[in-house]
Amino acid sequence: NAGVTQTPKFRVLKTGQSMTLLCAQDMNHEYMYWYRQDPGMGLRLIHYSVGEGTTAKGEVPDGYNVSRLKKQNFLLGLESAAPSQTSVYFCASGERHFSSYEQYFGPGTRLTVT
Amino acid sequence: DQQVKQNSPSLSVQEGRISILNCDYTNSMFDYFLWYKKYPAEGPTFLISISSIKDKNEDGRFTVFLNKSAKHLSLHIVPSQPGDSAVYFCAARVNSGYSTLTFGKGTMLLVSP
Repeated sequence: NAGVTQTPKFRVLKTGQSMTLLCAQDMNHEYMYWYRQDPGMGLRLIHYSVGEGTTAKGEVPDGYNVSRLKKQNFLLGLESAAPSQTSVYFCASGERHFSSYEQYFGPGTRLTVT
Repeated sequence: DQQVKQNSPSLSVQEGRISILNCDYTNSMFDYFLWYKKYPAEGPTFLISISSIKDKNEDGRFTVFLNKSAKHLSLHIVPSQPGDSAVYFCAARVNSGYSTLTFGKGTMLLVSP
């Protein structure tokens, strides 16, 4: 099992460019999440999905769009990148069990917007 | 409004001693708490969790204590090892339909030999 994988690992964008971050999981999890981590800010939820074809906004959704066309994939899009979106992006997946709400994280994508 | 607070950005401990990481929360609807560990250039990994119906959960060297009346939880690591040096995040889940977690800002633990 690869667990949760993220593509790419690193990316540099110019302001105004667009890109898509890909997250894939092989654990058949229903839930998937996108977070960003900034220095001194912890992990903040951008968007999440509770099943194929569904998405919902998290704490910091502005400037991002997501899609969950397949259960195993969750895409995060930046239509017009801004320097404020320079961050490390983490994808996670999980199941909803009544005894556990653990999320499994990918290795992260480091994005720099110049 | 920060609902999960880790007020200590960093903590230094000697190998073999106890490490105590603290977390405070404000939302009384949180019913499940988790601790994650993160090494540089890696994703967070789950460490230990506790339900609000318990006050203690233990897993090897790691124990989490929950004080609901004080809205406070702590992670104890005994004995601490250099490999425990990492950033530790406290997270909490609201008792509602979907399982989103709210994370604290993290505490960097440094265990010196």
